[in-house]
Amino acid sequence: KAGVTQTPRYLIKTRGQQVTLSCSPISGHRSVSWYQQTPGQGLQFLFEYFSETQRNKGNFPGRFSGRQFSNSRSEMNVSTLELGDSALYLCASSAYGNYGYTFGSGTRLTVV
Amino acid sequence: QKEVEQNSGPLSVPEGAIASLNCTYSDRGSQSFFWYRQYSGKSPELIMFIYSNGDKEDGRFTAQLNKASQYVSLLIRDSQPSDSATYLCAVNGQGGSEKLVFGKGTKLTVNP
Repeated sequence: KAGVTQTPRYLIKTRGQQVTLSCSPISGHRSVSWYQQTPGQGLQFLFEYFSETQRNKGNFPGRFSGRQFSNSRSEMNVSTLELGDSALYLCASSAYGNYGYTFGSGTRLTVV
Repeated sequence: QKEVEQNSGPLSVPEGAIASLNCTYSDRGSQSFFWYRQYSGKSPELIMFIYSNGDKEDGRFTAQLNKASQYVSLLIRDSQPSDSATYLCAVNGQGGSEKLVFGKGTKLTVNP
């Protein structure tokens, strides 16, 4: 069974640009969550989607957005990149959230 | 008050010893509790989940939950050098929300 696939693995962007990250969940998993991980703040929740609907949202500015498609694949977008957006972005999927999430390998975003 | 708190460590134990990792949480409505292991440069991996007060054992790992004290712990028996990693405690949000809130993790080093 394939795991959670995130693309790209690494990304370097310039301040002010925008970026789109992609996540393909485990087959059959309908819940997809996104997290930002930095050394100082740890894992911080961005948002969670289920059946194309955003069910939960974290405390991030509106520059961070996401969506989920009918096949459960999800994308997140960050516009007007700032240096502080440099982080590891992790996607996680679950058949049902209370049984825990499986994480993808992450996308390492560096903003210069 | 932080939602999920863990000692950042580092926690250092000799090989074969019991490693004890602790976590407290603030939301009394939380229902599901998870322990993730994260090796350096890798994504978090789910190792245990617990819903009910008491102990839950899986191999060398035992999760303990005390909802009255809002306390979760993870015991690793017969610690091995391969257990050296950061251990993340995660708690689901209020009312069974799919949102997982993570502690910042405890770094464990098992010395041969």
